[in-house]
Amino acid sequence: GDSVTQMEGPVTLSEEAFLTINCTYTATGYPSLFWYVQYPGEGLQLLLKATKADDKGSNKGFEATYRKETTSFHLEKGSVQVSDSAVYFCALSEEPNTGNQFYFGTGTSLTVIP
Amino acid sequence: GAVVSQHPSRVICKSGTSVKIECRSLDFQATTMFWYRQFPKQSLMLMATSNEGSKATYEQGVEKDKFLINHASLTLSTLTVTSAHPEDSSFYICSARGQGLRTSTDTQYFGPGTRLTVL
Repeated sequence: GDSVTQMEGPVTLSEEAFLTINCTYTATGYPSLFWYVQYPGEGLQLLLKATKADDKGSNKGFEATYRKETTSFHLEKGSVQVSDSAVYFCALSEEPNTGNQFYFGTGTSLTVIP
Repeated sequence: GAVVSQHPSRVICKSGTSVKIECRSLDFQATTMFWYRQFPKQSLMLMATSNEGSKATYEQGVEKDKFLINHASLTLSTLTVTSAHPEDSSFYICSARGQGLRTSTDTQYFGPGTRLTVL
């Protein structure tokens, strides 16, 4: 079945450091891939997405490229800020046009220290 | 982007009472809504999927008589936790997908969550 495996946290970085959070997936078809961010006490916010192989999603300095050959969708940011401290979830949706359920990774907690 | 609201944001109730949580899509029509439960420092657990005007589909292990879901309109779904007990205390999050000016049909848009505490 479909699944998402995320790099375990927590991750602690200094401000302006480079961030990578690894995400790999297993899917039977051609999923859409997503990164969501959850700030403390809040729901999830869509950070970026990619719907087909080699697509790059980007938002707020974060990027992730849909790599079919390695079944990966790693999240990167060149210079993190304290305000990026949150939990990041990788997710896939197997059948985007039929609104099928999402499969979430376990989440990676990021803390950025000044 | 698309906005999904939840009400209340926090609720504290006594054991044995029922609690209703509302989930609304504010600027799009939500053909499908999802209800999740999240335990501290864990990922989201899908409880059920509901399509407007039809019965919800519950995930295995989720008691449909305890967690009543109603999706009566394209902008509103409700989750009622009946006869709540302390073990039902959790963070409940809804999401929605559908058609709107600023939505993509392949994306779920999440509400801010409801913290339920059962004493």
